[in-house]
Amino acid sequence: RKEVEQDPGPFNVPEGATVAFNCTYSNSASQSFFWYRQDCRKEPKLLMSVYSSGNEDGRFTAQLNRASQYISLLIRDSKLSDSATYLCVVIPAGGYNKLIFGAGTRLAVHP
Amino acid sequence: GAVVSQHPSWVICKSGTSVKIECRSLDFQATTMFWYRQFPKQSLMLMATSNEGSKATYEQGVEKDKFLINHASLTLSTLTVTSAHPEDSSFYICSARDRFGNEQFFGPGTRLTVL
Repeated sequence: RKEVEQDPGPFNVPEGATVAFNCTYSNSASQSFFWYRQDCRKEPKLLMSVYSSGNEDGRFTAQLNRASQYISLLIRDSKLSDSATYLCVVIPAGGYNKLIFGAGTRLAVHP
Repeated sequence: GAVVSQHPSWVICKSGTSVKIECRSLDFQATTMFWYRQFPKQSLMLMATSNEGSKATYEQGVEKDKFLINHASLTLSTLTVTSAHPEDSSFYICSARDRFGNEQFFGPGTRLTVL
């Protein structure tokens, strides 16, 4: 079983749509969680950290459910510029900041 | 955020040659640098972790004699792919972290194509 699993997509949505990405992780002792964004042939960039209490940054909302080992990202009012691959990232327990990446979910927002 | 550069951004080489990729932290001292590899439509896979002045720690399945890592200064780490073969063709990305922060700052990546 992969340490971090994501639906590969692609998700094709119209502008203005709300889209949700899900991610599960296998190590229950994992300590930190993030969503990164990666554009084609570019490096990943940190989108937001994920906390059990949930956190929001503008149109983006991230949620962590430790009991289910599940992480989500919600994007509201999708823009064309949101088209990218969204990577779920976990730091395992004792990981010393070693990032474990999911394979990513591709999002394509169309006019 | 902090800036990390990589050089070259892309390289094409013949099978059997060695290729060196540089990763530099431009505005901070990187006590730890990480090297990742990403095949098409796959996740970034950590290859090795290097701390300045010490030997790199390689992940399981990564050949340390094939992927030579040097982190001789607080601003520079190099990855040398020795005797490259077509199956080594990939996107190689480094990241850097200083001794205070939890965030890793990624370089723009190097696309290697081995013919």
